[in-house]
Amino acid sequence: DGGITQSPKYLFRKEGQNVTLSCEQNLNHDAMYWYRQDPGQGLRLIYYSQIVNDFQKGDIAEGYSVSREKKESFPLTVTSAQKNPTAFYLCASSRRLAGIVNEQYFGPGTRLTVT
Amino acid sequence: AQSVTQPDIHITVSEGASLELRCNYSYGATPYLFWYVQSPGQGLQLLLKYFSGDTLVQGIKGFEAEFKRSQSSFNLRKPSVHWSDAAEYFCALLTGTASKLTFGTGTRLQVTL
Repeated sequence: DGGITQSPKYLFRKEGQNVTLSCEQNLNHDAMYWYRQDPGQGLRLIYYSQIVNDFQKGDIAEGYSVSREKKESFPLTVTSAQKNPTAFYLCASSRRLAGIVNEQYFGPGTRLTVT
Repeated sequence: AQSVTQPDIHITVSEGASLELRCNYSYGATPYLFWYVQSPGQGLQLLLKYFSGDTLVQGIKGFEAEFKRSQSSFNLRKPSVHWSDAAEYFCALLTGTASKLTFGTGTRLQVTL
């Protein structure tokens, strides 16, 4: 079955450590996205990538980094510079067909807790 | 700048009752609108979408939504709620060529038996 895989489901880290969240999709989608979800704030866009080897900052990119070396993969690194990293992180992907509105499909999420 | 407002943080309905969740948007161009549902600790599932054409759109699980341009609204409805509908519901607006989504803050639905 096609879909988006995020691993691990739960992640615990000590303050000051960098941590990388995995996102893999086998939907053959060109575009991929990372969102952060906090209670009462909805989802906020961290980074997005429309094609391999290219990505752009979203609304809250500070303290995060990404790479897009393969079409299927879009890992997110939460660095020690992120002041409040504890959150639920969601990865999404979509087609990128010109002239067509493409909906996003979401993975199951990773809950990161930093103490 | 674009924005999405979901005025109701929490709604409680009885099983079998009708449901309407409100969503208002602000955007200067043609809006493309979505409703997603999220169960606790899970990802988001797409319920329905509005791109153009008929302003009443049907989705999965018996949900429908009506787009009203004059009111900048895209309210979600269901005639008869089931206990399994208890979840958090997000309205979202797609903008730009990069297909970026702007989300509302969500409405948590509780269903009483």
